[in-house]
This record gives sequence, C-alpha cells and structure tokens, in this order.
Amino acid sequence: GAVVSQHPSRVICKSGTSVKIECRSLDFQATTMFWYRQFPKQSLMLMATSNEGSKATYEQGVEKDKFLINHASLTLSTLTVTSAHPEDSSFYICSATFLAGGITPSYNEQFFGPGTRLTVL
Amino acid sequence: GQNIDQPTEMTATEGAIVQINCTYQTSGFNGLFWYQQHAGEAPTFLSYNVLDGLEEKGRFSSFLSRSKGYSYLLLKELQMKDSASYLCAATYTGGFKTIFGAGTRLFVKA
Repeated sequence: GAVVSQHPSRVICKSGTSVKIECRSLDFQATTMFWYRQFPKQSLMLMATSNEGSKATYEQGVEKDKFLINHASLTLSTLTVTSAHPEDSSFYICSATFLAGGITPSYNEQFFGPGTRLTVL
Repeated sequence: GQNIDQPTEMTATEGAIVQINCTYQTSGFNGLFWYQQHAGEAPTFLSYNVLDGLEEKGRFSSFLSRSKGYSYLLLKELQMKDSASYLCAATYTGGFKTIFGAGTRLFVKA
C-alpha cells in the first residue's frame, strides 16, 4: 500500500513555457503533500508543503508565482513551473503523508513518488 | 537552523560492514528517518527511530541517541546493489516538515 505516482516521469520543454507535474496518491488519502527539488549529487530541498483545500506553504527562497501548487483533492497535487528557464532543470519529487483517524501521527512517514526529470532547453 | 550532517562519500568492500553517521540539531526533534536513494530514483524508506537505541531490520540497523543528536545506519554483509545514496532526515515538532541531510554516497567495491 501507500503508493504515490508522478506524471510525467520525464519532460523536455523550451525556455519560457510552462510545465505541469502531477502527484497522485493511489491507495490512500493524502492530507499533506510535499514538493522537493533535487539537483545532481545534492539532497532533497523542500520547496513547499501542500495541504488539501488550502494554499501551499512555500520555503524561503522559492517563488510562489513561479512554482504554482494546487492540492484540489485528497489524492492529487500539481506543481506548475511557469516560464521555465534552463536553471529550473532538475529532478522534482513529490511525497505524500496522511493523518490516521484524524489524530496527528508522531510517525509521519512520507511516501515518495518516482520523480519527474525536467529539462529546460 | 536545523542542520543535518552526514559524510559526503564512503567506500566499502562487498561482504563488509559499514556505518554511516548522522548528526542533527536536537531542539524540537521528533524522529529520525533513513532513506536509500539510487541515482535518478526517488528515496525509499529504510527506517524510522524515535526512541533511543538500536533497531535491527535484516541487514540494516539504525541507532539513535536523542541526547547526543546522533544516529547511524549500519549495513551488514554489503552487496553491490547497496551502492546508493543514504539520506538521513529529521522531523521536528510543529509540523510534518522533514529536513534532509545532503546524503552519503556509498560505493561498494568487489
């Protein structure tokens, strides 16, 4: 159980275009989803935390107008990279977690999607 | 801040034992994750420690000392497929945010 999918797995786009990445929890309801970016040989950098039905909370230094996040349902969150530039080329990974029975868990394991490789030409 | 420190790279021999250390800031600390990540793939869960002590799971064990802000991942009977990055990640009270270390790249040689 606890499977998270991402689509697309790989995308190449031209500079200035927008790209949408979907993150879906397939067999559970994800109350919270996280979006990470990972550059080669570096660790995961949290970009934003997304709760269903509310605005995403962005980390310092992440432009909310450039990286649009929508968490419209308990199984889907989307990240749109607007006006993409070559420096946005990266590996984008989402993860999802859930509240068990409405009680905040102390064990908030995140279930990761397979990642999306974005290349901006 | 909530810095997570772990070595950048380690090399070990197939069949051997390797210990990957991780230190973290203790203020507000909740629990400690270890993930394995192969190049170009998403991280996969290895362990979660919230109490002091050693937890063993097959060839992998994880240790936590809350008072020292220290954890290690122990890999036994190393196999070539264990070559990967190992991410130490800490969670803190006040939210679901998880802070990741930069990862330790482990190279297993024959």
